Amino acid sequence: QQQVKQSPQSLIVQKGGISIINCAYENTAFDYFPWYQQFPGKGPALLIAIRPDVSEKKEGRFTISFNKSAKQFSLHIMDSQPGDSATYFCAASYNTDKLIFGTGTRLQVFP
Amino acid sequence: GAVVSQHPSWVICKSGTSVKIECRSLDFQATTMFWYRQFPKQSLMLMATSNEGSKATYEQGVEKDKFLINHASLTLSTLTVTSAHPEDSSFYICSARGNEGYTFGSGTRLTVV
Repeated sequence: QQQVKQSPQSLIVQKGGISIINCAYENTAFDYFPWYQQFPGKGPALLIAIRPDVSEKKEGRFTISFNKSAKQFSLHIMDSQPGDSATYFCAASYNTDKLIFGTGTRLQVFP
Repeated sequence: GAVVSQHPSWVICKSGTSVKIECRSLDFQATTMFWYRQFPKQSLMLMATSNEGSKATYEQGVEKDKFLINHASLTLSTLTVTSAHPEDSSFYICSARGNEGYTFGSGTRLTVV
């Protein structure tokens, strides 16, 4: 019930392409869904977050798509750049409680 | 934006000694802070939730006597790894919850030799 499943485990994308990472959850009480970017040896940095009353949120090249009925949400990175190469984590929380993290996706963007 | 400062960024200690890691919210007050542990190429594993002025809540399987957490003020939480052993070597990350959501520190690489 508390799990957040993330896929794929790793992703290789050409520069300029679209990177898509998917997450699924079971607990319908979750009300906050953030995505984090982490570079080696650093802490995670918030990229973008969404609440379940919205189906899509866009910030620059990053878009979250949220499907409440399917209990899924995804991160789309448009025009992927080599500098986007990092590990991405989805997460979920309920009522400002602890974050439950997905397993992570290692993204590599080749020039 | 919200900033969380974590120190030290790396530490090497001898087996059997204790190490303290500090986590500070620089520009906001955090009634709740979280401590995570991360092994190479793995996700973040929540160790404990730290509330200002009260005892920390530890996740199942985390030894509270080994990982001492103190949240004495609205901007500071500390994690002390007591009697550290090589198996405690890991990347420790703190997080503070504020109005902008959850902000993470830059992490502390602990190596026990």
